[in-house]
Amino acid sequence: DAGVIQSPRHEVTEMGQEVTLRCKPISGHDYLFWYRQTMMRGLELLIYFNNNVPIDDSGMPEDRFSAKMPNASFSTLKIQPSEPRDSAVYFCASSVRQRPSTDTQYFGPGTRLTVL
Amino acid sequence: AQSVSQHNHHVILSEAASLELGCNYSYGGTVNLFWYVQYPGQHLQLLLKYFSGDPLVKGIKGFEAEFIKSKFSFNLRKPSVQWSDTAEYFCAVSNSGTYKSIFGTGTRLKVLA
Repeated sequence: DAGVIQSPRHEVTEMGQEVTLRCKPISGHDYLFWYRQTMMRGLELLIYFNNNVPIDDSGMPEDRFSAKMPNASFSTLKIQPSEPRDSAVYFCASSVRQRPSTDTQYFGPGTRLTVL
Repeated sequence: AQSVSQHNHHVILSEAASLELGCNYSYGGTVNLFWYVQYPGQHLQLLLKYFSGDPLVKGIKGFEAEFIKSKFSFNLRKPSVQWSDTAEYFCAVSNSGTYKSIFGTGTRLKVLA
């Protein structure tokens, strides 16, 4: 298995531009998570999906952020408009519910976003 | 609300020194506990996990962690670190109800050769 795939790996954009980050989870996994990692705040959960349905988006910082999962093999995280404080590494992770539950998440390589 | 505290933000050790990284969580229910590691330039990967049974869990590369329920702790240990253990270590907790993991802020470990 190729693991969780994220694209792009690096994104540099100017303030005010729209940014779209993409994620392909591991085949067969029914949970997908989006995280943001910064030096100041560490690893923060933004939103997660189960069977393509958003379950908890309480970590999404504001309305400029939106996430979708149109099918089991693809998810996007969009920032519109982007701001310099959005600069961070964004990770996507996926997992599959097991019995007994272990909730192990498999992380992608991340997208390093720089907003100028 | 659930939270995870990692008290050591930066740790510097010499090779062969013993390691213990603290992790405390706040949640009253049944939890699953994890340690993830992020090597320089790489993505997070699972180091070890606890969900039931023996509270002493052994993971990869000689790491182990002990779940002490009365102390709400899940400290990571390694008797003798190597230069290649230089990485950032994250403790995480999830529960069966919400199925989302809460991560600590991470501990950056630097091992001097």
